[in-house]
Amino acid sequence: KAGVTQTPRYLIKTRGQQVTLSCSPISGHRSVSWYQQTPGQGLQFLFEYFSETQRNKGNFPGRFSGRQFSNSRSEMNVSTLELGDSALYLCASSLLTGGGEVGGYTFGSGTRLTVV
Amino acid sequence: QKEVEQNSGPLSVPEGAIASLNCTYSDRGSQSFFWYRQYSGKSPELIMSIYSNGDKEDGRFTAQLNKASQYVSLLIRDSQPSDSATYLCAPRRGGNKLTFGTGTQLKVEL
Repeated sequence: KAGVTQTPRYLIKTRGQQVTLSCSPISGHRSVSWYQQTPGQGLQFLFEYFSETQRNKGNFPGRFSGRQFSNSRSEMNVSTLELGDSALYLCASSLLTGGGEVGGYTFGSGTRLTVV
Repeated sequence: QKEVEQNSGPLSVPEGAIASLNCTYSDRGSQSFFWYRQYSGKSPELIMSIYSNGDKEDGRFTAQLNKASQYVSLLIRDSQPSDSATYLCAPRRGGNKLTFGTGTQLKVEL
């Protein structure tokens, strides 16, 4: 069965630009979470979507936003990029029912964003 | 105080030995706990989950949980060079948000 697919794998952007990253979860997984990973901070939670609704949000500025579509695919957007946004952005999907939780995350390969 | 604390390492063990990785967490409401392995340049991969106090074994891996002490550990028996990676501890309170530690780097030496 196909895993979590993230596109693109690599991106180079200039300060001030905006970027959109895409994530297709494992078929049947309705929960999609996004994390930022940097060497200094480790994995930091950005947000989680379930059935097109944002259920949890981390402590990131409003420049970071996301959405989920009816087919569970998700996108995250970062506007007005800063040098400090350079990181590996990871998407993870999980099989989650409306009332409970099953198992852990399966991560995608990530998008490596470099802001210059 | 960090929400999840792990010794960054590196933890060096000889091949065939037992590697012991430790994690403490601050949120007493945490209900489930996950261990991920991350090879350099790769994304994290789930290797163990544990929900109840005690031990849970899966092959060469054993996860141990003590909620009263807010402590979770991962033992790797018969360590192999292919086990060399960073191991991330991640408690989950509820809903579907995992809080990750910064990880322990394990090096298994020949």
